[in-house]
Amino acid sequence: ETVLTQSPGTLSLSPGERATLSCRASQRINSANLAWFQQRPGQPPRLLIYGASKRATGIPDRFSGSGSGTDFTLSISRLEPEDFAVYYCQLYVDSPSVTFGPGTKVDIK
Amino acid sequence: QVQLVQSGAEVKKPGSSVKVSCKASGGSFSGYSSNWVRQAPGHGLEWVGSFIPVFGTPNYAQKFRGRVTISADDSTNTAYLELNSLRSEDTAVYYCAREGLYTIFDFWGQGTLVTVSS
Repeated sequence: ETVLTQSPGTLSLSPGERATLSCRASQRINSANLAWFQQRPGQPPRLLIYGASKRATGIPDRFSGSGSGTDFTLSISRLEPEDFAVYYCQLYVDSPSVTFGPGTKVDIK
Repeated sequence: QVQLVQSGAEVKKPGSSVKVSCKASGGSFSGYSSNWVRQAPGHGLEWVGSFIPVFGTPNYAQKFRGRVTISADDSTNTAYLELNSLRSEDTAVYYCAREGLYTIFDFWGQGTLVTVSS
């Protein structure tokens, strides 16, 4: 079973700054099966990125995903107040099986 | 736009069962995967299981096998999660999600808090 590790655990930044979040898989994965979700307090998760780099409908272009193999990155170019939240990477494989990373919290510095 | 509305909060005794519903509007579960994820207080997301039509039967995370059932009623556009032999560690918010254009988790319900306490 593939394990996802996210770093850092918490990222303290100011509005307008750039955020870079990492997701590392314990073995090579198919990029098509890697997604990123945002979860604000008291809200369900929201799909941001699928296929490692494709934005879902309605997601602002300040969000971008990249990576391949075992290392993936979610970048937020300029943090808006509503972007302070927890971000999860997720892997789906055709077993089927789903794995979530432990999450990265982006909070206000 | 698909919207998923889940049933209300539940308080259960250890050893009992809970059944959470998830009703779709603006779409149905027929032909689409239905999925369940839980989140214990202050913790991350944990996959419980999925029904993916191409596989024909539900698939469950190893830790829940034997005490979880995922089902759906196409006539009412409703998916269900039933969890048996509840213990305090099952206290969590349970989310349903449905497949969309991009992933099997495109659309999410609002969550149902299940509290297991004696």
